[in-house]
Amino acid sequence: ETGVTQSPTHLIKTRGQQVTLRCSSQSGHNTVSWYQQALGQGPQFIFQYYREEENGRGNFPPRFSGLQFPNYSSELNVNALELDDSALYLCASSFTDRNEQFFGPGTRLTVL
Amino acid sequence: QKEVEQDPGPLSVPEGAIVSLNCTYSNSAFQYFMWYRQYSRKGPELLMYTYSSGNKEDGRFTAQVDKSSKYISLFIRDSQPSDSATYLCAGDTGRRALTFGSGTRLQVQP
Repeated sequence: ETGVTQSPTHLIKTRGQQVTLRCSSQSGHNTVSWYQQALGQGPQFIFQYYREEENGRGNFPPRFSGLQFPNYSSELNVNALELDDSALYLCASSFTDRNEQFFGPGTRLTVL
Repeated sequence: QKEVEQDPGPLSVPEGAIVSLNCTYSNSAFQYFMWYRQYSRKGPELLMYTYSSGNKEDGRFTAQVDKSSKYISLFIRDSQPSDSATYLCAGDTGRRALTFGSGTRLQVQP
């Protein structure tokens, strides 16, 4: 069974640029959630996707957007990057009828 | 006030000790509670998952939830140096939008 995978591992961008992060969910999982983890903090919920639609959103501005594909993989897009967007971005997958979420290794984004 | 509070530590214990990690929360709607272990620069790993109040045991790990006092605990028996990591607690209302504490850093000294 393949776990959650994310790409790329690391990314460096400059302020104002746009970035796309990718996630492949664990085999059989149809729900994907994205979290932002700043240094020394716990992860913060960004949004969740189910059946290719956003199914819940945390306190993040619209420049954070996402997609889910028919194979349940997902993308997180961030426009107009700000310095405070520097963080570890985590993807988690789960079954719709279960609450356990399994995280990927994360993508570390640095905004200069 | 954060919805989930954790002492950041670091908590340093000798190998073989019993470790007690704790969180308090303020959201009465939380029904599901999780403990994750996170090694440096890695993604969180699910350790324990409980629903509502009560205890759950899995190997060296025991999770306790007391909804009346909004208090959750994780106990680690016979702690090992490999247990050295940051431990994150999280609550969930059922919508699978986890609310995390900021984590407690544990160091198990050989």
